Amino acid sequence: EVQLVQSGAEVKKPGESLKISCKGSGYSFTSYWIGWVRQMPGKGLEWMGIIYPGDSDTRYSPSFQGQVTISADRSINTAYLQWSSLKASDTAIYYCARAPSLAGTLDQWGQGTLVTVSS
Amino acid sequence: QSALTQPRSVSGSPGQSVTISCTGSNTDVGGYSYVSWYQQYPGKAPKLMIYDVSKRPLGVPDRFSGSKSGNTASLTISGLQAEDEADYYCCSYAGTYTFRVFGGGTRLTVL
Repeated sequence: EVQLVQSGAEVKKPGESLKISCKGSGYSFTSYWIGWVRQMPGKGLEWMGIIYPGDSDTRYSPSFQGQVTISADRSINTAYLQWSSLKASDTAIYYCARAPSLAGTLDQWGQGTLVTVSS
Repeated sequence: QSALTQPRSVSGSPGQSVTISCTGSNTDVGGYSYVSWYQQYPGKAPKLMIYDVSKRPLGVPDRFSGSKSGNTASLTISGLQAEDEADYYCCSYAGTYTFRVFGGGTRLTVL
């Protein structure tokens, strides 16, 4: 069974750093892209970026370029999304999702990670 | 890149059909055959319902169908059931600068 399991909810203060994870299982992790999607409270889905764990090729949405860093460790089948300095506006649920190609659909989703940034 | 345009809400009675539109431009919906649709229940992760404009993943009922004409994609749900009440999002590939863009989402209410 294909699964993407994300790390647990986080509560952070503005200015703190954070790295959340997405672990894939049940498929060849290095043969699929992993994308990240933000959903702010009560809002819609927003595309953030995508990485190919096979060679770490990474692409960002212009809206998120420079704001977050996407990475992957193929030795443990895990992708990451990280912030160096969180803002209150980063409060959201973050989903990872698998894609068979750079342009292909997001066919399997993680359960989401709630990030709350508050002083 | 602006979000794709979806109606904020649609509704229908059990057994009826509803169609949700998703309007973009020739740099996203109109330019590629990579439109997908996702169903999301409150507090849950999105679930893929339609991909590549009109293909259904295994396990998705054939009551769900997708199509595209020009810069507008559509999701049609026939034989509405109470369990179809959810939020629906379209998504399109948008080229090698933006890569993907989502619609703003449509709340489907089954009356």
